Amino acid sequence: RKEVEQDPGPFNVPEGATVAFNCTYSNSASQSFFWYRQDCRKEPKLLMSVYSSGNEDGRFTAQLNRASQYISLLIRDSKLSDSATYLCVVNFPASGTYKYIFGTGTRLKVLA
Amino acid sequence: GAVVSQHPSRVICKSGTSVKIECRSLDFQATTMFWYRQFPKQSLMLMATSNEGSKATYEQGVEKDKFLINHASLTLSTLTVTSAHPEDSSFYICSALSGYEQYFGPGTRLTVT
Repeated sequence: RKEVEQDPGPFNVPEGATVAFNCTYSNSASQSFFWYRQDCRKEPKLLMSVYSSGNEDGRFTAQLNRASQYISLLIRDSKLSDSATYLCVVNFPASGTYKYIFGTGTRLKVLA
Repeated sequence: GAVVSQHPSRVICKSGTSVKIECRSLDFQATTMFWYRQFPKQSLMLMATSNEGSKATYEQGVEKDKFLINHASLTLSTLTVTSAHPEDSSFYICSALSGYEQYFGPGTRLTVT
């Protein structure tokens, strides 16, 4: 089982739709969780950090379920500009520091 | 806040030469920085973890003598690709750790001819 798993998509949704992505992780010692968006040929940009049960920022909501070991990202009222790849990142303590594991990303295409 | 710069953004070099890439945290200090590479349509691959004042930790399969990392200050880490070959052509991205969050530089596109 991969340490962090995401559905690669693509998720094709119409403008205005609500879309949700899930990300599962295998290490129960994982402590912090992050969602990044990455546009084609660009660097990842931090979208949201999740340290407790969840986080909300405008149209974006992230929820953490530690019992089932997954985090989700919900995007409401999708915009064309939301089209990107969404990366799930998990960290856990390892050898006195923290190890960060990236998912392979979920591609979202918002259609006009 | 949390801005990371990377220089150069794009470089073309001849096979056999060395290329140095700089990663700077502009408005915060970063004890830890990471270096990644990414091939087209693939996910980020961690190459090494750079710690200020100590040796970098390389991931399995990454040659430390080929990819030299120096983290001489709390705001600067450098990656030098030595004796570059065409197969080293890739998108190299650094990130700097602020608290638990990674902030990425804009990346360097390396082409080795």
